[in-house]
Amino acid sequence: ETGVTQSPTHLIKTRGQQVTLRCSSQSGHNTVSWYQQALGQGPQFIFQYYREEENGRGNFPPRFSGLQFPNYSSELNVNALELDDSALYLCASSIVSLMYNEQFFGPGTRLTVL
Amino acid sequence: QKEVEQDPGPLSVPEGAIVSLNCTYSNSAFQYFMWYRQYSRKGPELLMYTYSSGNKEDGRFTAQVDKSSKYISLFIRDSQPSDSATYLCAMRGGSARQLTFGSGTQLTVLP
Repeated sequence: ETGVTQSPTHLIKTRGQQVTLRCSSQSGHNTVSWYQQALGQGPQFIFQYYREEENGRGNFPPRFSGLQFPNYSSELNVNALELDDSALYLCASSIVSLMYNEQFFGPGTRLTVL
Repeated sequence: QKEVEQDPGPLSVPEGAIVSLNCTYSNSAFQYFMWYRQYSRKGPELLMYTYSSGNKEDGRFTAQVDKSSKYISLFIRDSQPSDSATYLCAMRGGSARQLTFGSGTQLTVLP
């Protein structure tokens, strides 16, 4: 069973640019969530995708958008990058169930905006 | 006020010490309580989760939930240098999609 993978590992962009981050879910998982983790903080929920549809969103502006593909891989797109977007972006996959859905995290993509 | 407040640390203890990590929360809708461990430059990994008030033990780790006080704790017995990491508490409501995390406590266990 393969775990959650993310690419790229590191990324440096300048303010105003656009970026796409990628995530490959753990085998058998049908739900993917994206989190932003600023330095010294806990992860903050951006949004979740289930069956290729956005299934919940945190307090992030529309310039943060995503996609989920039929093979359950996912992308996070951020437009008009701002300095405060510098953070570790984490992808987590899970299987939606009634009681509990453990979220398995990938290693993250560290984005630096200059 | 944040929904989840976590003792910020950093915390430095000698090997073999008992470590206590704590979080408080304000949202009564939270039903699932988790502790994640995050090593430097890695994603969080789940250590323990609990659903109800009380204690849950797994090896050297004990998770404690007190819903009446909105307080959760993680105890690490016989701490080891390999336990050095950032510990994150996380919570979720019954029908909510997302996890709400504390800000993390950085723990260093000195040999």
